[in-house]
Amino acid sequence: DIQMTQSPSTLSASVGDRVTITCRASQTISGWLAWYQHKPGKAPKLLIYKASSLQSGVPSRFSGSGSGTEFTLTIGCLQPDDFATYYCQQYSTYSLFTFGPGTKVEIK
Amino acid sequence: EVQLVESGGGLVQPGGSLRLSCAASGFMFSTYWMTWVRQAPGKGLEWVANIKEDGNEKYYVESVKGRFTISRDNANNSLFLQMTYLGVDDTAIYYCARVVAAAGPDYWGQGIPVTVSS
Repeated sequence: DIQMTQSPSTLSASVGDRVTITCRASQTISGWLAWYQHKPGKAPKLLIYKASSLQSGVPSRFSGSGSGTEFTLTIGCLQPDDFATYYCQQYSTYSLFTFGPGTKVEIK
Repeated sequence: EVQLVESGGGLVQPGGSLRLSCAASGFMFSTYWMTWVRQAPGKGLEWVANIKEDGNEKYYVESVKGRFTISRDNANNSLFLQMTYLGVDDTAIYYCARVVAAAGPDYWGQGIPVTVSS
C-alpha cells in the first residue's frame, strides 16, 4: 500500500507569510497528487491536481510542485481565509486512494 | 452546477447497519467514477471506497472490506454506501465525491454524520 506523510503537522504563520507544506509518498506516484483545503463543517476543496495544476477558481497564490515521491504546496502570500487544514492525496490507482495526515495552518 | 447531496446518516448501535445515499446533479453522472471519503472526529480524511462508471469495479479500504458495499444507480444519478457490522471506529462524517481521471476527487458533498454508539 502507498503511505503518505506530510510535514509539518501544524504550522503557525501570519497574514502575508509564504508557507510551504511537504508531502511524501512511500513509493512513486508519478504526478498523481492532489492538494485539498478543508475547513470545519465544509466540504474539502480541491486546490491543486496532477501535482502542479491549479484547479479552476483557486487563487494563484496557491502552487504545487514535485514528482515521484516528494511534493510541495506553497501559499505565496497567506490570507485570512487560508487558515485551514491542508491534505495531500495520491490517486495513482483507482484501487487505492490515500490521504496524508494533514497540516493545520494556524494564526501566529 | 455540480451538486452532491448526502443523506441517510444518523445514530446507530454497534453491530448495526446504515445505508448512505448521494444524489448527484449538474453533470453526466454515468460517466464518472465516484468515491466515498470519511473523517472521524479529530482525525484526518480517510478514503473509503471507489466505484467505476458502470459499477463493475469497486475498491475499498482494508478496514471496511466485507462490511461496506458501494453501489450506484445511473438511471437515478445516485451513489450508495451500504454499511453493515458498524463499529465505533466507523463514527465519522461521510462525504461522496466525483472523481476526475486527471484530477482525482474534484467536487464533494457537504458530508453526512454517522454516529455508532450504544
